[in-house]
Amino acid sequence: DIQMTQSPSSLSASVGDEVTITCRSSQNINGSLNWYQQKPGKAPKALIYGASNLHSGVPLTFTGRASGTLFSLTISGVQPDDSAVYYCQQSYIPPWTFGQGTKVEI
Amino acid sequence: QVHLQESGPGLVKPSGTLSLTCSVSGISIANSNWWSWVRQSPGKGLEWIGEIHLTGLTYYNPSLMSRVTISIDGPKSQFSLKVTSMTASDEALYYCARGWPTNPGFLDIWGQGTRVIVSS
Repeated sequence: DIQMTQSPSSLSASVGDEVTITCRSSQNINGSLNWYQQKPGKAPKALIYGASNLHSGVPLTFTGRASGTLFSLTISGVQPDDSAVYYCQQSYIPPWTFGQGTKVEI
Repeated sequence: QVHLQESGPGLVKPSGTLSLTCSVSGISIANSNWWSWVRQSPGKGLEWIGEIHLTGLTYYNPSLMSRVTISIDGPKSQFSLKVTSMTASDEALYYCARGWPTNPGFLDIWGQGTRVIVSS
C-alpha cells in the first residue's frame, strides 16, 4: 500500500494567518492527491483533487501544490470556521490511503 | 442535490456479520460513478474499505478483502456492505461515499456515517 504521511499532526494559528500542511507519499502517485476537511461530528468534505484543483464550492483561500512526492495544502487568511482536521489521500493506486490527519485550531 | 444515507444495525456481536446499506438520492446510481465504503476509528484513522461500479466491478482493500463484500442494487438506488467475522477492531464510524468516474478515489460526496459497535 502507498503510505501517506502528514505534518504537522496539529497546529494553532490566529485569525488572518496563512497555514500550510504537508503530505508526503511513499512513492510516486502522479499527482493523484486529494484533500479533505473534517469538522467534529461531520463526514469529511472534499476540498481539492489532483493535487491543486479546487472542488466545486471550495473557497479560493485554499490552495494545493505538488512537488514530486511532496504535497501541500495552504489556507490563506484563516478564519475560525477553518478549524478542522485536514486529511490528504492518494487516489493513484488502490487501496486508496489517507494521511493520519492534521488538526488545525484557529 | 445528491444525498447518501447509511443504514443498518449499530450493534454487532463478536464473530457476527455487519450489514450496512447506503441509499443514494438526487442522482442515478446507474451512472458512471463509483460507490465506496470508508470507515474511521480513533486507532486507524480513515480506512478505505472498497468500492463498486454499477457494472458490478469491485475493488477491495486487501487488508479486509477476505471478509468484505460490496454489492449494488440499481433499481433500489442502493449499495451495500457486508463484513464477516467482526471483532472489536472493526468498531468504527462507517461512511458511504461517491467516487468520480475518472477518479474513483476522489470521494466528493459522503453520507453522515453510522457508528458500529461490536459487543455481545
